[in-house]
Amino acid sequence: DTEVTQTPKHLVMGMTNKKSLKCEQHMGHRAMYWYKQKAKKPPELMFVYSYEKLSINESVPSRFSPECPNSSLLNLHLHALQPEDSALYLCASSLAGSFYEQYFGPGTRLTVT
Amino acid sequence: ELKVEQNPLFLSMQEGKNYTIYCNYSTTSDRLYWYRQDPGKSLESLFVLLSNGAVKQEGRLMASLDTKARLSTLHITAAVHDLSATYFCAVVFTGTASKLTFGTGTRLQVTL
Repeated sequence: DTEVTQTPKHLVMGMTNKKSLKCEQHMGHRAMYWYKQKAKKPPELMFVYSYEKLSINESVPSRFSPECPNSSLLNLHLHALQPEDSALYLCASSLAGSFYEQYFGPGTRLTVT
Repeated sequence: ELKVEQNPLFLSMQEGKNYTIYCNYSTTSDRLYWYRQDPGKSLESLFVLLSNGAVKQEGRLMASLDTKARLSTLHITAAVHDLSATYFCAVVFTGTASKLTFGTGTRLQVTL
């Protein structure tokens, strides 16, 4: 199984809502990543978890809160988002760190109204 | 500063023609990846290049790496419409073990 899955595929939320994005992999990978991608732009790294510990936070606003409950799951909790947070959110995993190829999930298209 | 630049940003080419996309990066790297992204879709890994002089080929695409020039190229041979997509290079800079820095992307449009 070389697949990273993400749910939901699409999400529309108001600025006062709380929602979560989920990511799962069963490849035994120990590094997991969240990226944000705006239209016609490259992905921007948000967070990296290595062995279930947060190893990189790219100065992301606190309205985004990552969580790694176990080695297969990665969540991104969203609260009080702004319209400019609307984007494609991509999850990825790799064996251990970026020395190993990252496998990307299909993404969640988020719209904040 | 850790920067990855691609050119061109947009490329319109006819079927059957050849062309090259360039990826320049600012400092030493440990490896370089090429990804393809279709509109609204996720990223598909195409190549990973590990060392100076590395060359990899898959179908009509060939990627190469010159670490001394800090340059990678993605060469397209006899383009077909199915190759229309955005192509990103991404670099793991030395000393930033967990971070992948993406290039600006090249949107390729292959016309009949």
